[in-house]
Amino acid sequence: SAVISQKPSRDICQRGTSLTIQCQVDSQVTMMFWYRQQPGQSLTLIATANQGSEATYESGFVIDKFPISRPNLTFSTLTVSNLSPEDSSIYLCSVSGAGGPDTQYFGPGTRLTVL
Amino acid sequence: DAKTTQPPSMDCAEGRAANLPCNHSTISGNEYVYWYRQIHSQGPQYIIHGLKNNETNEMASLIITEDRKSSTLILPHATLRDTAVYYCIVRVNSGYALNFGKGTSLLVTP
Repeated sequence: SAVISQKPSRDICQRGTSLTIQCQVDSQVTMMFWYRQQPGQSLTLIATANQGSEATYESGFVIDKFPISRPNLTFSTLTVSNLSPEDSSIYLCSVSGAGGPDTQYFGPGTRLTVL
Repeated sequence: DAKTTQPPSMDCAEGRAANLPCNHSTISGNEYVYWYRQIHSQGPQYIIHGLKNNETNEMASLIITEDRKSSTLILPHATLRDTAVYYCIVRVNSGYALNFGKGTSLLVTP
């Protein structure tokens, strides 16, 4: 299995600002993903963070709003830009390829509130 | 990935077995059945997965029908800490991301 940490665990931000969320894994992993969970909803995949290349975004998510970095096999960041109250969600980092390629593990999440 | 159908909510008495059903009638031959759960305000937790044989681990058992069109997750002795949303997900065994549906909200009562 993989141990995943996220920073910050929660934050309250003003509209128009940006928040960068860090995801650190305790071992090298093949795949890293970012999800969003809006209040009372299920998880929605934002993008796949690719090491050494641009992230692959799902429909409805764009790089200008959600820039992602993945400089190595254990670390990734997600920035949520130009915040609005609609961005208030839990953002989760997830990895696979740690304990075999078929199991996906999740971080504890970052709870973002935008005022 | 094949679509899954789960009841929106279920109740279970503490100490009894919790049987959570999932329909996946369009599952392909190379798709696995995965179960995750999300306890309130935490990241989803992997429970178990299987292809066509029944599987058991320290957390749960997974029963897959012979035609693979449905499955049941069994928590043999539910505790209050098992109260969570349970997600049944069908996908190929690869590095692709999981697609979450609405899941089943399980409430374990004293």
